[in-house]
Amino acid sequence: SAVISQKPSRDICQRGTSLTIQCQVDSQVTMMFWYRQQPGQSLTLIATANQGSEATYESGFVIDKFPISRPNLTFSTLTVSNMSPEDSSIYLCSVDLRGVLETQYFGPGTRLLVL
Amino acid sequence: QKEVEQNSGPLSVPEGAIASLNCTYSDRGSQSFFWYRQYSGKSPELIMFIYSNGDKEDGRFTAQLNKASQYVSLLIRDSQPSDSATYLCAVLFSGGYNKLIFGAGTRLAVHP
Repeated sequence: SAVISQKPSRDICQRGTSLTIQCQVDSQVTMMFWYRQQPGQSLTLIATANQGSEATYESGFVIDKFPISRPNLTFSTLTVSNMSPEDSSIYLCSVDLRGVLETQYFGPGTRLLVL
Repeated sequence: QKEVEQNSGPLSVPEGAIASLNCTYSDRGSQSFFWYRQYSGKSPELIMFIYSNGDKEDGRFTAQLNKASQYVSLLIRDSQPSDSATYLCAVLFSGGYNKLIFGAGTRLAVHP
């Protein structure tokens, strides 16, 4: 299994500001994913972050709004830029330990409220 | 049409009964299917995955897959109050890279 931590666990932010969420995993992984889960909704993939290459964004998500860094095989950050109340959500990182998805683990999530 | 559909519930079952959770998907090329459990306020936890038609059993959990009908289900035998959670069905997108598409989840309530 994998131990995944996220920081911060929760935050309240003002509109127009930016927040960077960190994801740390206790083993080296090739693929890391960032998801959003809005209240009462399921998970929506924002982007896939692979070390050594640019993140791959899903439809509806753009790099200017959600820049991602992946400096090494155990760490990634997601920034939510120029926030609005619509960005209030839970943001989750997940990792795929072996590249075949049956071992995908989720971090504890970051609960974001934008006022 | 939603890509992965689940009944939102709540599905209420008595303790000890069998809970049956269902999921349909639209991508005929999908080959890999997953069930996650999410307790309120917690992150999703992988409980089952299935690739082949038929049944796959793991303890009290059985996943069933029928690719021709584009249908996957999860049975929970001897349901316990601790099974009360939202169950998310996820399908691996067949478009060439590792992307999971999640259903909206079914909320299960097991009452004593």
